[in-house]
Amino acid sequence: AQSVTQLGSHVSVSEGALVLLRCNYSSSVPPYLFWYVQYPNQGLQLLLKYTSAATLVKGINGFEAEFKKSETSFHLTKPSAHMSDAAEYFCAVSVQNTGNQFYFGTGTSLTVIP
Amino acid sequence: DAGITQSPRHKVTETGTPVTLRCHQTENHRYMYWYRQDPGHGLRLIHYSYGVKDTDKGEVSDGYSVSRSKTEDFLLTLESATSSQTSVYFCAISESAAPVTEAFFGQGTRLTVV
Repeated sequence: AQSVTQLGSHVSVSEGALVLLRCNYSSSVPPYLFWYVQYPNQGLQLLLKYTSAATLVKGINGFEAEFKKSETSFHLTKPSAHMSDAAEYFCAVSVQNTGNQFYFGTGTSLTVIP
Repeated sequence: DAGITQSPRHKVTETGTPVTLRCHQTENHRYMYWYRQDPGHGLRLIHYSYGVKDTDKGEVSDGYSVSRSKTEDFLLTLESATSSQTSVYFCAISESAAPVTEAFFGQGTRLTVV
């Protein structure tokens, strides 16, 4: 079964520091991977997605992720953290069935320290 | 923002009572999903629909049923609510079953079973 693992349920960074949120996938076929962000009391918003067109994917709000097949990883990064980046981040993999089923990681809560 | 409305947004109910949550979309997307979000578990798929009257189970479907009589509405019913069903429920929609297709999420319904 396809799944994703997010290492670190809580990550704290200083404002202006690099953000690195880790995601590893388990898949026997080329995966379709997504990063979503959830702000408090809101739904999930798509940050970016990997569709095999390019290994480095750029998303919204300055985030990007690199697909590394050899490491089965899809880590999310941002060069300089802003206070507004504080949120919960979810990595997900999609599986095509009769619908497009998403399997989510357990999430990483990002705290940005001023 | 995708046109997804969940109702109610908050509900407190007693153990053993039936509860129905509604998801309404204005995007005319074929696929609709119900997820629950719990700390330490991320989001888990309950049920999904791939067309009017076409539904299937997700990974945590026990105790839940769904119905979809119109493209725009997807109902989630807890026949007899239990405390373990206290959670935040999210509806999502997607345009196609292709695994590259992202899902759009509603704002969530916070359900408390006492």
